[in-house]
Amino acid sequence: KAGVTQTPRYLIKTRGQQVTLSCSPISGHRSVSWYQQTPGQGLQFLFEYFSETQRNKGNFPGRFSGRQFSNSRSEMNVSTLELGDSALYLCASSPGGGADTQYFGPGTRLTVL
Amino acid sequence: AQSVSQHNHHVILSEAASLELGCNYSYGGTVNLFWYVQYPGQHLQLLLKYFSGDPLVKGIKGFEAEFIKSKFSFNLRKPSVQWSDTAEYFCAVNPNDYKLSFGAGTTVTVRA
Repeated sequence: KAGVTQTPRYLIKTRGQQVTLSCSPISGHRSVSWYQQTPGQGLQFLFEYFSETQRNKGNFPGRFSGRQFSNSRSEMNVSTLELGDSALYLCASSPGGGADTQYFGPGTRLTVL
Repeated sequence: AQSVSQHNHHVILSEAASLELGCNYSYGGTVNLFWYVQYPGQHLQLLLKYFSGDPLVKGIKGFEAEFIKSKFSFNLRKPSVQWSDTAEYFCAVNPNDYKLSFGAGTTVTVRA
């Protein structure tokens, strides 16, 4: 099976812009989670979607949002970008979420100038 | 506050040495435990996991971990490391709320 794919792999934006990142889960997986990885804060949970519904959300401002489509593909959006949003954004998929093992994609490296 | 703690930030050792990385968590109740590894330039990969049963679990590449419930610990071990084990290792806990909480990570450098 193909693994989790994320596009784009690299992105450079300027402050105030918005950005949309995409994630395609492993075939058959219905849960998609998003994480932010930075040197200072490590890996932090953003949100999790299952069957197009958000089931859990991390402690991030409302500028961070996401959605999931009927084919389980997911997007996350960050509006009004700030310098501190520069990070590696990771997507993970699992069959049903909950306690299932999560499989990670390669990430999207976002740089905000 | 609920958290996951990894005791070592950076570990440096020689090939053939034994490795043990500590992980403690502060969640009550049932939890599922994971160790992930991130090799240089690669994405996070699952090393091993514990859901229930035998507290000593074996993973890929000769790694194993022991769950000690009374100590809220899930330490990772490898008897003899190789240069290719150079990577960052993350302990993660899932308390059945649809998310993984990660430790800060331990960078392991193996000298040839």
